[in-house]
Amino acid sequence: QSALTQPASVSGSPGQSITISCTGTSSDIGAYNHVSWYQQHAGRAPTLILYGVTNRPSGVSSRFSGSKSGNTASLTISGLQAEDEADYYCSSKTSGITLVFGTGTTVTVL
Amino acid sequence: EVQLVESGGGLVQPGGSLRLSCAASGFTFSSRWMNWVRQAPGKGLEWVANINTDGSERYYVDSVKGRFSVSRDNAENSLYLQMNSLRVDDTAVYYCTRGATWVGIDYWGQGILVTVSS
Repeated sequence: QSALTQPASVSGSPGQSITISCTGTSSDIGAYNHVSWYQQHAGRAPTLILYGVTNRPSGVSSRFSGSKSGNTASLTISGLQAEDEADYYCSSKTSGITLVFGTGTTVTVL
Repeated sequence: EVQLVESGGGLVQPGGSLRLSCAASGFTFSSRWMNWVRQAPGKGLEWVANINTDGSERYYVDSVKGRFSVSRDNAENSLYLQMNSLRVDDTAVYYCTRGATWVGIDYWGQGILVTVSS
């Protein structure tokens, strides 16, 4: 049950696109299309922004998109905005019915 | 509106016990998997445990197996986490969350702080 690996920080200027990677193993990301992404603003609870690798919940901006290749999933934020500054976490179903989160990535808007 | 409200947190000594509760409303509680997720101060998220709709299946992260127990009362729309043999590294904000692992966690409570310290 080791945490999925994410870069500690990613930054970009307003309007740019950034991509956050999330690397797991053949027992989690590689085995299932059950990757989710969460956004957490400082001092707040996380919120779901993507599930099932590519699906956005109702109300989530289309600027957020996801993909997966092998044991690595990715979150892309296009048209970066100041409000996107937050921590981002991926998660994946693992063997059985358990869940593992990524190490988290802090996004900074320059 | 979906609401998840945690209670029961606080300060406890190492080796002690604490029971967290989560009051759910705004959805059919008995038809949803539920989870506890925690976040140590300044650290990332860690999934702790989940429970299926009727309470017959329960799963835990290795670090809490044998010490924590998740349960639910569908008649009361409530989720619980019994925490025994608490350790300093159990100190965290504990979130009550809704969702099965294969669809993602779609709702989170505001979280409640558990501090384990002498």
